[in-house]
Amino acid sequence: AQKVTQAQTEISVVEKEDVTLDCVYETRDTTYYLFWYKQPPSGELVFLIRRNSFDEQNEISGRYSWNFQKSTSSFNFTITASQVVDSAVYFCALILNTGGFKTIFGAGTRLFVKA
Amino acid sequence: DTGVSQNPRHKITKRGQNVTFRCDPISEHNRLYWYRQTLGQGPEFLTYFQNEAQLEKSRLLSDRFSAERPKGSFSTLEIQRTEQGDSAMYLCASSLTVNSGNTIYFGEGSWLTVV
Repeated sequence: AQKVTQAQTEISVVEKEDVTLDCVYETRDTTYYLFWYKQPPSGELVFLIRRNSFDEQNEISGRYSWNFQKSTSSFNFTITASQVVDSAVYFCALILNTGGFKTIFGAGTRLFVKA
Repeated sequence: DTGVSQNPRHKITKRGQNVTFRCDPISEHNRLYWYRQTLGQGPEFLTYFQNEAQLEKSRLLSDRFSAERPKGSFSTLEIQRTEQGDSAMYLCASSLTVNSGNTIYFGEGSWLTVV
């Protein structure tokens, strides 16, 4: 079975705090892709990062960083020094490379950043 | 801007009516996807096209739903005899080829309310 679990439904932080959004996935496929998207109130899903299953390098982009660990099937997302504009729903997604196209999204984590 | 464009952005319809949504993907993208998202949930895959061919349909896509991409460019999603349970946001996305890990870009979605 393929599944993406975002256990944190809502997180509330004060501006400038660091926050980590958890993502745990399940798949038996050896080739797959993991994504994080941000969904602001306007509704559009904004692409943040893509990682393939063979690349476990962590990545940093400005205030954003991602920690991919195949051993624990996790792909966590950290925002450093959060800002009010970071308030949104964040989705982790798993895309498989076999058996035709299939995308599995987590239920999302709503992040509130208070000034 | 040449992102994924969807219209109408909002549609309110009476139960039993038919509705049609249009999606214009990023121009060079050969893959086009439709998803449905209800409140508090992540997007759920409905169907996808590679050029004009519809290659996969989710079990969520009942007989009342039909999607087309006649010339391999824009796509339409029609819902016949709408039901209140069809109320959701319908997201369109496009990409080159996901097998190579290309990013899937989403539109802003079309909100459907069935009253």
